[in-house]
Amino acid sequence: SQQGEEDPQALSIQEGENATMNCSYKTSINNLQWYRQNSGRGLVHLILIRSNEREKHSGRLRVTLDTSKKSSSLLITASRAADTASYFCATDESDGGSNYKLTFGKGTLLTVNP
Amino acid sequence: KAGVTQTPRYLIKTRGQQVTLSCSPISGHRSVSWYQQTPGQGLQFLFEYFSETQRNKGNFPGRFSGRQFSNSRSEMNVSTLELGDSALYLCASSVGGSLGEQYFGPGTRLTVT
Repeated sequence: SQQGEEDPQALSIQEGENATMNCSYKTSINNLQWYRQNSGRGLVHLILIRSNEREKHSGRLRVTLDTSKKSSSLLITASRAADTASYFCATDESDGGSNYKLTFGKGTLLTVNP
Repeated sequence: KAGVTQTPRYLIKTRGQQVTLSCSPISGHRSVSWYQQTPGQGLQFLFEYFSETQRNKGNFPGRFSGRQFSNSRSEMNVSTLELGDSALYLCASSVGGSLGEQYFGPGTRLTVT
């Protein structure tokens, strides 16, 4: 089952524009992470935001978390062609016991046109 | 510091065979997790090993198994391969566990014919 789901599935923008991707999840979480995957560098961790945090920044990345709406957004400012990749949100999911797993959404494919 | 390495990078097997994939984590990382990535199902968690013990597992059949050695290197085995096992298998290591920041390897592309 997918705990997190990204929206939109695909996004195409021009270099220099901002890109916003959203993630919704179903159950309560301890933290939420964003990852990027492209053919050159594989799957790379971008940022982790804890459930008691509302906003976090890292360079050109800004992540917000709204636990009441069970949603998060990733904003990439002043995008570059090198930002072209698939972006995934990941949340911790419990089976109700002591077994936990990191659950990824299907991702948003971002294309930044030069 | 060297990143996560996985071997082999590409593998072609026949249905019914078994396969073993290897993962070397970043030095000092005791947690190794395995994921399967397919176009249809996306990224799915297989299991996590920490200090040679399986700590968490996903919803995969018993044909998928793993182990971890005392140097934190991990292997994943898939027995009686099925066509649907064709996927990119990713290994990730971390300091604290499978729920924190994960450092992924380049993956092993397995094709089952």
